[in-house]
Amino acid sequence: KAGVTQTPRYLIKTRGQQVTLSCSPISGHRSVSWYQQTPGQGLQFLFEYFSETQRNKGNFPGRFSGRQFSNSRSEMNVSTLELGDSALYLCASSSLTSGKYEQYFGPGTRLTVT
Amino acid sequence: GESVGLHLPTLSVQEGDNSIINCAYSNSASDYFIWYKQESGKGPQFIIDIRSNMDKRQGQRVTVLLNKTVKHLSLQIAATQPGDSAVYFCAEKYNAGNMLTFGGGTRLMVKP
Repeated sequence: KAGVTQTPRYLIKTRGQQVTLSCSPISGHRSVSWYQQTPGQGLQFLFEYFSETQRNKGNFPGRFSGRQFSNSRSEMNVSTLELGDSALYLCASSSLTSGKYEQYFGPGTRLTVT
Repeated sequence: GESVGLHLPTLSVQEGDNSIINCAYSNSASDYFIWYKQESGKGPQFIIDIRSNMDKRQGQRVTVLLNKTVKHLSLQIAATQPGDSAVYFCAEKYNAGNMLTFGGGTRLMVKP
């Protein structure tokens, strides 16, 4: 079974621009979560989508948004980029039907804001 | 690969020794805990999990211990190998969704 895929793997943007990152979960997984990882703050939860609905949201400004499509693929968008948004953005998928909460992470998208 | 953390606590062990990585979690209402391993340039990889109604769970070469009284979690790796070198994170879940709160991570270095 293919793992979680994220595109693009690397991205360089300038301040003020916006960016869209994409995540394809493991086939059959309906829950997709996004995390931001930085050396200073570690791994921080952004939001979770399940069946196209946002179920949980972390403590990030409204510039960070996301959505999930009917095939469970998810995108996250960051508008008006700031230097501090430079980070590794990780997507994780989970199958809740098994009663397990294991989350499987993709390799991440490395975003650099200059 | 990118740096996961600049100032992570580091545990250095000899190949073949046992390793113990500790984690203090924050929420007494957390009902599920996971250990992840992250190698340079990769996303976190699931190692083992434990529910709050258990105090010990064993996997292949790994054991997780949960002490709810002091909100402490530990990961024991038996016969540590060079391939175990990575950053290890504990994570807790305390709501109905899949939101995980991660600890700061510990870097494990295995000396041959």
